[in-house]
Amino acid sequence: KAGVTQTPRYLIKTRGQQVTLSCSPISGHRSVSWYQQTPGQGLQFLFEYFSETQRNKGNFPGRFSGRQFSNSRSEMNVSTLELGDSALYLCASSLAFGDTNTEAFFGQGTRLTVV
Amino acid sequence: AQSVTQLGSHVSVSEGALVLLRCNYSSSVPPYLFWYVQYPNQGLQLLLKYTSAATLVKGINGFEAEFKKSETSFHLTKPSAHMSDAAEYFCAVSDQSWTGFQKLVFGTGTRLLVSP
Repeated sequence: KAGVTQTPRYLIKTRGQQVTLSCSPISGHRSVSWYQQTPGQGLQFLFEYFSETQRNKGNFPGRFSGRQFSNSRSEMNVSTLELGDSALYLCASSLAFGDTNTEAFFGQGTRLTVV
Repeated sequence: AQSVTQLGSHVSVSEGALVLLRCNYSSSVPPYLFWYVQYPNQGLQLLLKYTSAATLVKGINGFEAEFKKSETSFHLTKPSAHMSDAAEYFCAVSDQSWTGFQKLVFGTGTRLLVSP
């Protein structure tokens, strides 16, 4: 069974540009969450999608957005990139929504570097 | 809101020695707790999870953790460290909002160094 697939693995962008990251969840999983990992702030929740709807959002500016498609694949977009957006972006998929017992499976992440 | 605190950003052990990584949680409700491991340039892999079924939880790669409500702790242990255990370990708690949505709240991580 294929795991969570994130593309691309590495990205280098210039300040002011925008970027789109993609996440394909495990087959059958309908919930997709995004996390940002930086040395200074650690792992922080960005948002979660379930059934093509954003269910909740973390404390990030509006430059960070996302969406989910009918096949549960998700994309996140960051506009007007800043140097501080350099991070490892992790996607996690899980089977259910609203179940605290559910296990989240993580992808390998996309390493974004903003120069 | 739930939170976790990991004591020690770095832990060094010798190969074959006991591994002990500390995690304390703060939760107003019975928590769901997790330990994840991250190898360099990789995502997170679940080691084990506590869901109130048993206080001693066994995970993969020989790791286990014990839930102690009186101490609000969920420390991760392994009797004998291997070189391959060198990685960063994250404790996490599941935080559920009134909408039913749940997210993982992570600790700051502990880097485990294993020397020959």
